[in-house]
Amino acid sequence: QQQVKQSPQSLIVQKGGISIINCAYENTAFDYFPWYQQFPGKGPALLIAIRPDVSEKKEGRFTISFNKSAKQFSLHIMDSQPGDSATYFCAAANTGNQFYFGTGTSLTVIP
Amino acid sequence: NAGVMQNPRHLVRRRGQEARLRCSPMKGHSHVYWYRQLPEEGLKFMVYLQKENIIDESGMPKERFSAEFPKEGPSILRIQQVVRGDSAAYFCASSPMGNQPQHFGDGTRLSIL
Repeated sequence: QQQVKQSPQSLIVQKGGISIINCAYENTAFDYFPWYQQFPGKGPALLIAIRPDVSEKKEGRFTISFNKSAKQFSLHIMDSQPGDSATYFCAAANTGNQFYFGTGTSLTVIP
Repeated sequence: NAGVMQNPRHLVRRRGQEARLRCSPMKGHSHVYWYRQLPEEGLKFMVYLQKENIIDESGMPKERFSAEFPKEGPSILRIQQVVRGDSAAYFCASSPMGNQPQHFGDGTRLSIL
């Protein structure tokens, strides 16, 4: 059973546009929601993370929106750049336990 | 400040051989996690270890797979009698405490001939 569902599987965005990736979860015990960025041949790198006591967190061009009642969270990449082309994974975890990852979104930003 | 170090980066084994994957966590990190990633798929949790203890091995296949994190030295993921289906990228992550940001290594790509 997939604990975290991620969509879309792939995304193509024009340079300067907004990239939006969505995730949904079922387990209300989850209290930590990170996003990871992965380039080919490399390990995932932590991009930004949020806890359920806030509805939004922004770091530079990256924003997480969190909807606790809907059990959904999303990553927004503003002013998308070709260098943002990578695979993005959302994840969810509860204290002291394993992380559950989404299946990934392959983002391509066209110049 | 070295990150999570995994070796080897690439490992080729024949069916029936043993594969040993090593992971040195970041300095100061005592929690280690192993994940498997198949092409076009996400990361699948395998096992969570602290020094000398297995905390959660619910994602580990019951046979042929084992993991350890000794008091001294790297964490080891061991796969005995490898089969073609074991071909994947294996990633290790570490954190200073549970539920803290996990920092990943660049993985070991295992290929079974």
